[in-house]
Amino acid sequence: GENVEQHPSTLSVQEGDSAVIKCTYSDSASNYFPWYKQELGKGPQLIIDIRSNVGEKKDQRIAVTLNKTAKHFSLHITETQPEDSAVYFCAAPVNSGGGADGLTFGKGTHLIIQP
Amino acid sequence: SAVISQKPSRDICQRGTSLTIQCQVDSQVTMMFWYRQQPGQSLTLIATANQGSEATYESGFVIDKFPISRPNLTFSTLTVSNMSPEDSSIYLCSVTGQSIRVQYFGAGTRLSVL
Repeated sequence: GENVEQHPSTLSVQEGDSAVIKCTYSDSASNYFPWYKQELGKGPQLIIDIRSNVGEKKDQRIAVTLNKTAKHFSLHITETQPEDSAVYFCAAPVNSGGGADGLTFGKGTHLIIQP
Repeated sequence: SAVISQKPSRDICQRGTSLTIQCQVDSQVTMMFWYRQQPGQSLTLIATANQGSEATYESGFVIDKFPISRPNLTFSTLTVSNMSPEDSSIYLCSVTGQSIRVQYFGAGTRLSVL
């Protein structure tokens, strides 16, 4: 099955600066990589995802890049704001089959935006 | 995306008892999953809830401990049986939307076992 590693575990940045969170995966056949944001007391919220047929995807201040050769993908948040403070999780399908699978998650990154 | 309701939102239970968690979706969905999130940890997939048939469990999770039902396309239950303090976690339901890959999560059930 898939194994996902996530770094760093904690990231503190100044408001307005950029934040980058990185994940690596083990199964070269994996083809879908979502990112979730979890605020205290809430369920994970999907913020962006990428499929293996593209190398980058952007949505306003958030972008995800994928390097299939190196088997890693990254979340980029620009112009960080206090409301970006949360725990962020990367994920990949448990199995690399073409159907709908559950997800295996990274250990999470606690992002702290310093005012 | 679908609106996902989980009940109860939290509970405190005694060891040796069982708790059934409900997940209700406001539209028909293809896939439903159950996850566990231990305190301060990441999410771990428990099982895929299959409509009208037995759930598919991940390694380390068994039906006797976590029986799951899914009688239709909008509803599923997870039971945590014979609870111990180690079962204290957040239990989360997720569903897929129009894309079978994209998963959306409920708010979770926060369970404490004394």
